[in-house]
Amino acid sequence: DGGITQSPKYLFRKEGQNVTLSCEQNLNHDAMYWYRQDPGQGLRLIYYSQIVNDFQKGDIAEGYSVSREKKESFPLTVTSAQKNPTAFYLCASSTLSVIGTVNQPQHFGDGTRLSIL
Amino acid sequence: AQTVTQSQPEMSVQEAETVTLSCTYDTSESDYYLFWYKQPPSRQMILVIRQEAYKQQNATENRFSVNFQKAAKSFSLKISDSQLGDAAMYFCAYSSMNRDDKIIFGKGTRLHILP
Repeated sequence: DGGITQSPKYLFRKEGQNVTLSCEQNLNHDAMYWYRQDPGQGLRLIYYSQIVNDFQKGDIAEGYSVSREKKESFPLTVTSAQKNPTAFYLCASSTLSVIGTVNQPQHFGDGTRLSIL
Repeated sequence: AQTVTQSQPEMSVQEAETVTLSCTYDTSESDYYLFWYKQPPSRQMILVIRQEAYKQQNATENRFSVNFQKAAKSFSLKISDSQLGDAAMYFCAYSSMNRDDKIIFGKGTRLHILP
């Protein structure tokens, strides 16, 4: 079955450490997204990528970095510059719409919960 | 910029009853998509229903239906015959039809089902 796989499910970060969250999809989707979810905040977009080797900042990109070397993979690195990284992180993917056609809604992974040690 | 507003942070409904979750949005575009997503305690996001703005007919998916009022920019979700498994966070979302089609989410409504 096609889907999105996020790993690990739980992750702990020490002070000053960078950590990387994995996101892999086998849906052949062009676009991939990273969201952060805090209680009462809904989902906020961190980064998104519509094509390999290209990505754009979302609403809260500071302290995060991404890469898109392969279509199926979109890892997120939480750097030491992110001072409040404790949150639930969701990866999503979608096809890209063409004007006049039906957009495909985003599919989501099961998420990664990141906590500070 | 487009915005999505869910004015009800929490709601409760008796099992087997009907409940309506509200959502309003702001956009200057004429063609777009609207979505309702469900996030149960397992935290996985699940698409419940989708509406294309150019369609006048309200979308329906089993016990879930929407009331889409384009002029009022309102997109409410009605859940009929509520079941315990419907307990979740519900997110309203908007997506434009152009190539830069990021989905914009509301802050969510937590729905409790009372047995």
